[in-house]
This record gives sequence, C-alpha cells and structure tokens, in this order.
Amino acid sequence: EIVLTQSPGTLSLSPGERATLSCRASQSFSSKYLAWYQHKPGQAPRLVMSGTTKRATGIPDRFSGSGSGTDFTLTISRLEPEDFAVYFCQQYGRSPITFGGGTKVEIK
Amino acid sequence: EVQLAASGGGLVQPGGSLRLSCEASGFNFSNYWKTWVRQAPGKGLEWVAKISQDGSKQYYLDSVKGRFTISRDNAKNSLYLQMNSLRAEDTAVYYCASSMFGEYYFDYWGRGNLVTVSS
Repeated sequence: EIVLTQSPGTLSLSPGERATLSCRASQSFSSKYLAWYQHKPGQAPRLVMSGTTKRATGIPDRFSGSGSGTDFTLTISRLEPEDFAVYFCQQYGRSPITFGGGTKVEIK
Repeated sequence: EVQLAASGGGLVQPGGSLRLSCEASGFNFSNYWKTWVRQAPGKGLEWVAKISQDGSKQYYLDSVKGRFTISRDNAKNSLYLQMNSLRAEDTAVYYCASSMFGEYYFDYWGRGNLVTVSS
C-alpha cells in the first residue's frame, strides 16, 4: 500500500503568515487522486482539496494545492484564525486508500 | 446543512460487541458509498469497511473481516457497523464518511465516535 508521510508534524505560525504543508508518498500515483482535509477538535473532518488542486465547496482561494508523482503540497497563503487545525492528506489512486499522519497548524 | 451524526461508541470488554450508527441529513444519502474510517490513539487514519450505494457490496480491512459487519438503511439515511469479538487494537475513534465511489475522496464526514476496548 502507499504510505503517505506528512511534514512537518507541527507548524507554528502567526495569522497572516504562509503555511506550506507537505505530503510525500512511498510510490508515485496520479495527481488526480490526492485529497486534503481539515480537522478541528470535536468536529468532523472537512474536505479542502481533491485532485490535488481542486478546492472543495466553500474553501477560500487562500488555499491552494500542487504536486505530482510522490510530492504534494497544500499551501495556505495567509493564515486566518479559522485555519488553525490539523490537515491530513489522502490518496485514492491505488487500493487501499491511505491517509497521511497529519500536520497540525497551530498559532505561534 | 450536511450532517452525519454518529452514535453507539463507548467502553467494552475484550471479546465484547458494539454497534455504531451514523445518521445522515442534508444530502442524498443513497447516492454515496459509505465508509467507516478509524484512528487509533497516536496513529493515522485507516479505512475499516465500506459499502456500496445499494448495500450489495461490502469490503473490509483484513484485520476486521469476520468480526465487523457494515450495513446501511437508505430509507433511514443510516449507516451501521456491528463490531463483534472486539480486541484492544480496535480501540480508536471511528468516523463515518461518504464518497461518490468506492475508492475516492470523502465529501462528507461525521464526528468521531470513541470505541475503547479494555478490561
């Protein structure tokens, strides 16, 4: 199965700063099949991005995705207070679907 | 507003049983595959079981085959996970999630439901 490794484990930033989250895969797969989710404590995870670059409904354009092959990135251009959360990636290109361990974006 | 309300978690002894439920609202439940995903303490997410839109196809993680049963009732917009012969390693937060296809991204998730298997 494809192992997804996210880095860093924790990102300490201030509102207004840029966040760059990495998701690295143990095997290459099509960028059509990479998603990102936002997860806040006590809430349901929320889809942020699918197909590497497609923002989900209601996700502001400060969120962007990029990458291909084994290296994928989620960028939040200017952090807003509501963006502080755990973000995890998921690949659905090869069975079984797998998830990354998550990156916590915390307020510095 | 889309909501997936999970219930049924709790503390159970090894070898015991528990049934998780997930009731959906705000979207067309029957159009979606449904998956249970879990996260054990200190670990990443893993899919546990999934079921097709009409319930005719079910798939399971190897470690839960023969012990867990996924089912759905589209008339009640509800998803279930019957968990038998529970083991300590089944301890996790369980999430229900919806996707358009069996191996796809998840449009909707429920809040987690903690299952603790301990004596």
